[in-house]
Amino acid sequence: DADVTQTPRNRITKTGKRIMLECSQTKGHDRMYWYRQDPGLGLRLIYYSFDVKDINKGEISDGYSVSRQAQAKFSLSLESAIPNQTALYFCATSDRSTGGSNQPQHFGDGTRLSIL
Amino acid sequence: LAKTTQPISMDSYEGQEVNITCSHNNIATNDYITWYQQFPSQGPRFIIQGYKTKVTNEVASLFIPADRKSSTLSLPRVSLSDTAVYYCLVGPRGRYQLIWGAGTKLIIKP
Repeated sequence: DADVTQTPRNRITKTGKRIMLECSQTKGHDRMYWYRQDPGLGLRLIYYSFDVKDINKGEISDGYSVSRQAQAKFSLSLESAIPNQTALYFCATSDRSTGGSNQPQHFGDGTRLSIL
Repeated sequence: LAKTTQPISMDSYEGQEVNITCSHNNIATNDYITWYQQFPSQGPRFIIQGYKTKVTNEVASLFIPADRKSSTLSLPRVSLSDTAVYYCLVGPRGRYQLIWGAGTKLIIKP
């Protein structure tokens, strides 16, 4: 989705380095998410935020931290990168749920991160 | 959280109708069923969502039987550009964590 922008698109770094992945959106959505995807597997939720003051751990939050700087910005940090964090990282947004259904998530094009 | 089971891969041909079935035996009363499509090196894209019976939009139909323990995504008259991975997810309203399985890799042949 062109309204969800992730930077950088690709990053190669070394073990032990601190890395920040950034996500910005122009959809006006309250909810933002960070996922990682490993080859041949589905997405796994790292962190999610339902508004600027609400941040929650997902399935695999260890080794990661996030910051919701504004409604439109949600960044993911790897404090000390390790090789098994090599993966494709996706940011997503969604509107708040209404009428009981989950609103569709809108994804960026991903950041391919390689840790040597 | 309801777990889903889908075929790992499927093949079909251009112009055919493709049906991908997802099993979700422990779906909860307040769970909705959502399907996404993912092309290589892109983020998933929402296709369709439903709760019961049948839902249709401009790209697909979703069939859900009365017991809701499975669902079928139907893609009419597929083309080569429908080659992608398709994910079935179930999840409740409100605060939630959706579980993404490995999806179904659909390959459309000419």
